[in-house]
Amino acid sequence: NAGVTQTPKFRILKIGQSMTLQCTQDMNHNYMYWYRQDPGMGLKLIYYSVGAGITDKGEVPNGYNVSRSTTEDFPLRLELAAPSQTSVYFCASIPGEGPYGYTFGSGTRLTVV
Amino acid sequence: AQSVTQPDIHITVSEGASLELRCNYSYGATPYLFWYVQSPGQGLQLLLKYFSGDTLVQGIKGFEAEFKRSQSSFNLRKPSVHWSDAAEYFCAVVVSNTGKLIFGQGTTLQVKP
Repeated sequence: NAGVTQTPKFRILKIGQSMTLQCTQDMNHNYMYWYRQDPGMGLKLIYYSVGAGITDKGEVPNGYNVSRSTTEDFPLRLELAAPSQTSVYFCASIPGEGPYGYTFGSGTRLTVV
Repeated sequence: AQSVTQPDIHITVSEGASLELRCNYSYGATPYLFWYVQSPGQGLQLLLKYFSGDTLVQGIKGFEAEFKRSQSSFNLRKPSVHWSDAAEYFCAVVVSNTGKLIFGQGTTLQVKP
C-alpha cells in the first residue's frame, strides 16, 4: 500500500497564482485532514473531511478551499497565493472516529514569491 | 480553550543519556494523546498513543510516555538516546469525534556524540 500520497513535493508560486495540492490515500479511510506547518508553530488544521461530500473548516482556512468527491482524494486549492501561504503542507487520514494515529503524507513544500 | 504546550523548544542530550520531553494539555474530557516524530524533510511518524487503561504506554523505537491526569501531562521518555533519535517531536491531543488534532509547538532534539 502506498498510504497517503501528496503531490507535488515542492512548488514555487508567484503572488496571485493559484494551484491545487493533491492528496490521495489507498487505505479506504473516511477522515482526511490538511495541516500547514510553520517553524516554531507546530501544525495548524486548515480543512478536514469526515467522508465524501463532507468538508469543514479548521483553524486556519482563509485563502484555501477543499473538495471531497471520492473517499480517496482530498485536494487543497490555493486561490490568489500570498507570501503568508509559504509553508509545508501535510495531508493525513484515519479510518474514522476513534483513537487512531494519523497516517501522514510526506508533505508539499510551497514557496510564494 | 483546548491547547497543547511543549515547554522546551530545543533540547540537547548526549548519546546514551536518558531523555524526557514534556507535554501539557488543556482539554476537559478524557483525552486521546499522541506523540509524533519528524525527521528533517520528512512527514510525521506516530511514536505512541494513549486513550485509556494503563497510564504508561510503550511505543516504537524504545520510547514510552506516562499520562498523568492530575498534572495534565503526557511526557515522553527514553532510557538511552541514540544519535538517530535527533529529530523534532510533537505532542498532540484529539479534540473532537471528528479526529481533529491540536499539536504542540514541537521540541527539537539534538544528540551529542
